[in-house]
Amino acid sequence: KAGVTQTPRYLIKTRGQQVTLSCSPISGHRSVSWYQQTPGQGLQFLFEYFSETQRNKGNFPGRFSGRQFSNSRSEMNVSTLELGDSALYLCASSRTGDGANVLTFGAGSRLTVL
Amino acid sequence: AQSVTQPDIHITVSEGASLELRCNYSYGATPYLFWYVQSPGQGLQLLLKYFSGDTLVQGIKGFEAEFKRSQSSFNLRKPSVHWSDAAEYFCAVGAEGNEKLTFGTGTRLTIIP
Repeated sequence: KAGVTQTPRYLIKTRGQQVTLSCSPISGHRSVSWYQQTPGQGLQFLFEYFSETQRNKGNFPGRFSGRQFSNSRSEMNVSTLELGDSALYLCASSRTGDGANVLTFGAGSRLTVL
Repeated sequence: AQSVTQPDIHITVSEGASLELRCNYSYGATPYLFWYVQSPGQGLQLLLKYFSGDTLVQGIKGFEAEFKRSQSSFNLRKPSVHWSDAAEYFCAVGAEGNEKLTFGTGTRLTIIP
């Protein structure tokens, strides 16, 4: 079956712009989580959505936001981009979102902010 | 708050040699523990997980890990590494009821012939 699909895979933006990243979970998965990966901070949890509701949020500024649609697809948005937002953004999905299910990760969207 | 420590940033082993990657966690209750592997330019792939029960868990690609509550450790082992095992390995801790994982900083594994 198809895995977690993230688009775009690579993108370059300039400071002050905004960006939207998309994630299509595995069919039947209702929970979608987002992580930021940088060389300095490692893997950090951004937020998690389940049935279109944000259930958990990490320690990121309000410039980072997300949403989930009725088909479980999710988007995250970063506004007013800063150089430090350059990172690999990983999306992961799971079936029930109760912690007992394995997260399946996508290949990520690599954002470069100039 | 939960946390994970992977004390080894980089490990180099010879092909065919045994491997042990260390992971220590901090969590108040019984943790959910995971090992993921990441190849360059790729996402994370689950190697194995521990929720409860037998403290020695088997994973894919010949990996195993042992949960030791007394030492708050969940070390990853493989008896004989292959060149294709070169990658970055992440230990993570989670909790029942939510999907938030806290990751360690990772251990980069290099395999030499």
